[in-house]
Amino acid sequence: GQQLNQSPQSMFIQEGEDVSMNCTSSSIFNTWLWYKQDPGEGPVLLIALYKAGELTSNGRLTAQFGITRKDSFLNISASIPSDVGIYFCAGVYNTDKLIFGTGTRLQVFP
Amino acid sequence: SAVISQKPSRDICQRGTSLTIQCQVDSQVTMMFWYRQQPGQSLTLIATANQGSEATYESGFVIDKFPISRPNLTFSTLTVSNMSPEDSSIYLCSVEGGADNYIQYFGAGTRLSVL
Repeated sequence: GQQLNQSPQSMFIQEGEDVSMNCTSSSIFNTWLWYKQDPGEGPVLLIALYKAGELTSNGRLTAQFGITRKDSFLNISASIPSDVGIYFCAGVYNTDKLIFGTGTRLQVFP
Repeated sequence: SAVISQKPSRDICQRGTSLTIQCQVDSQVTMMFWYRQQPGQSLTLIATANQGSEATYESGFVIDKFPISRPNLTFSTLTVSNMSPEDSSIYLCSVEGGADNYIQYFGAGTRLSVL
């Protein structure tokens, strides 16, 4: 079945550093979504990507839709303590269903 | 974006009992989704619930174990039946964003522990 692999699995960084994470799939997707989940909460949408090669920003976050349509990347610049959480990519299939990646757990130290 | 409320937010249940989780949305939506997030894991889709029709279950999930109701365009319930400790998870509902193109918005989830 389909599976989305995210790397790294976890990151421990210093406040102010930049962060890069990626998501790869064995299948092609036409839409990629990036979510963040804080402890005790549901996932919150960060960025949506709809076109191969697309680069989209949301404040300090930038995400890219890979050219092959089998991968996506998320960058966070100048990390701050509130960036702590789990970041999930998700691919849309069957027009309305999401398959989630394995997640990247981010820890930011002051 | 939609505002989604889930009840209960958490519960501790005994083996063999059932729990019904409610999901209320502040606007009418066609499609609602139920997910399971096992401890330390990612989200897995359980089923899709459209108003006025039977829910559609994903592979590995069955109606007898996870019956779903969708009585109107703003409400849905998921029941976890005959629970065992392996059912201890976070259960989340989500709704499609409508004009937002494939985006789903999530409730805060129900944290279930089965003893």
